Amino acid sequence: QQQVKQSPQSLIVQKGGISIINCAYENTAFDYFPWYQQFPGKGPALLIAIRPDVSEKKEGRFTISFNKSAKQFSLHIMDSQPGDSATYFCAANFVAPTGNQFYFGTGTSLTVIP
Amino acid sequence: SQTIHQWPATLVQPVGSPLSLECTVEGTSNPNLYWYRQAAGRGLQLLFYSIGIDQISSEVPQNLSASRPQDRQFILSSKKLLLSDSGFYLCAWKRGPLGNTIYFGEGSWLTVV
Repeated sequence: QQQVKQSPQSLIVQKGGISIINCAYENTAFDYFPWYQQFPGKGPALLIAIRPDVSEKKEGRFTISFNKSAKQFSLHIMDSQPGDSATYFCAANFVAPTGNQFYFGTGTSLTVIP
Repeated sequence: SQTIHQWPATLVQPVGSPLSLECTVEGTSNPNLYWYRQAAGRGLQLLFYSIGIDQISSEVPQNLSASRPQDRQFILSSKKLLLSDSGFYLCAWKRGPLGNTIYFGEGSWLTVV
């Protein structure tokens, strides 16, 4: 069972446009929602993260929007650049003595066209 | 600061040969350790995770195995590789069950021929 569902699988955006990637989860015990960015041939790296007590977090051109009641969160990349072309993974985790696993979405391949 | 090292970075192995990928973490103690596999253009498949020395949980039945002989060392092994074992293998760590972020190594490209 996929704990975190991510869409779309791939995304093509013009330079300067807005890229939007969506994720949904079921387990209300999750209390930390990070996004990871992966360039070809490299390991994923933490990009930005949010806790469910806030509805939005912004870091530069990257924004996470969080809707707790809908159990959905999304990544917005403003003014998308060719250098943003990468695979993006959403994830969910919970901090608890049993919180040993980490749940990832299936990934979105973003291509920003110059 | 914490760092994670994974090696070798690339390897080409014949079908039926053994495999050993190693991962070490520095700058932390008693981390959770993970092995993921990523097929070309695909998502992250969790293979094994470990919460302590000699404590290994397997997520996917296969011809791979994992061991954790020391607190900060995680090894992925196979006695006989299959063509389907080809992929990008990623080691990762988290600061125990109370850690909220997972950190990945640079990955190991395995091609089975």
